[in-house]
Amino acid sequence: GNSVTQMEGPVTLSEEAFLTINCTYTATGYPSLFWYVQYPGEGLQLLLKATKADDKGSNKGFEATYRKETTSFHLEKGSVQVSDSAVYFCALTDDYKLSFGAGTTVTVRA
Amino acid sequence: KAGVTQTPRYLIKTRGQQVTLSCSPISGHRSVSWYQQTPGQGLQFLFEYFSETQRNKGNFPGRFSGRQFSNSRSEMNVSTLELGDSALYLCASSFAGTSGGYEQYFGPGTRLTVT
Repeated sequence: GNSVTQMEGPVTLSEEAFLTINCTYTATGYPSLFWYVQYPGEGLQLLLKATKADDKGSNKGFEATYRKETTSFHLEKGSVQVSDSAVYFCALTDDYKLSFGAGTTVTVRA
Repeated sequence: KAGVTQTPRYLIKTRGQQVTLSCSPISGHRSVSWYQQTPGQGLQFLFEYFSETQRNKGNFPGRFSGRQFSNSRSEMNVSTLELGDSALYLCASSFAGTSGGYEQYFGPGTRLTVT
């Protein structure tokens, strides 16, 4: 089945720093790609998605581009805030389900 | 639109007992999937229901079961609880499942602790 490899954390940043979380995938066919975010004590929130090669998903200042040639979907944000502290999951469609990466914990310090 | 709701939010059970968790999807969504989240195994797919039928099942023992009602609400049941069943159980609602790039929207989860 399809799978995702996500950079390990934890990642600690200062406010207004640039954030990158690497995500690469292995898949047959053309899966849709997603980033989800999980705040403490909560479920997963869909952050952004891309459904085909070269698509760019964006939301709340976060961006990720579906790169078929490098099988990657890296998440970026230009200037993080303390409120961005959370666990971020890269995911892709794997037939009838989503397959998730292990998650990357991001802590932003004021 | 109201989001996905799950009840209860927290549960404490004893080994050997059984438990039922409930999920109400977003209005209009007919697909409900269940995932188990643990620190060791991460997020793992349990099963998916669509129009009251189990359409797909993950690699979990038969102690894990579920059903979906005509209003798309879903329940999952775990019988003969084991310590290893302690986890956050997440329900995800979708218009038609993962095909076609449809998003899955997750509820807040039910935190199950087995003692």
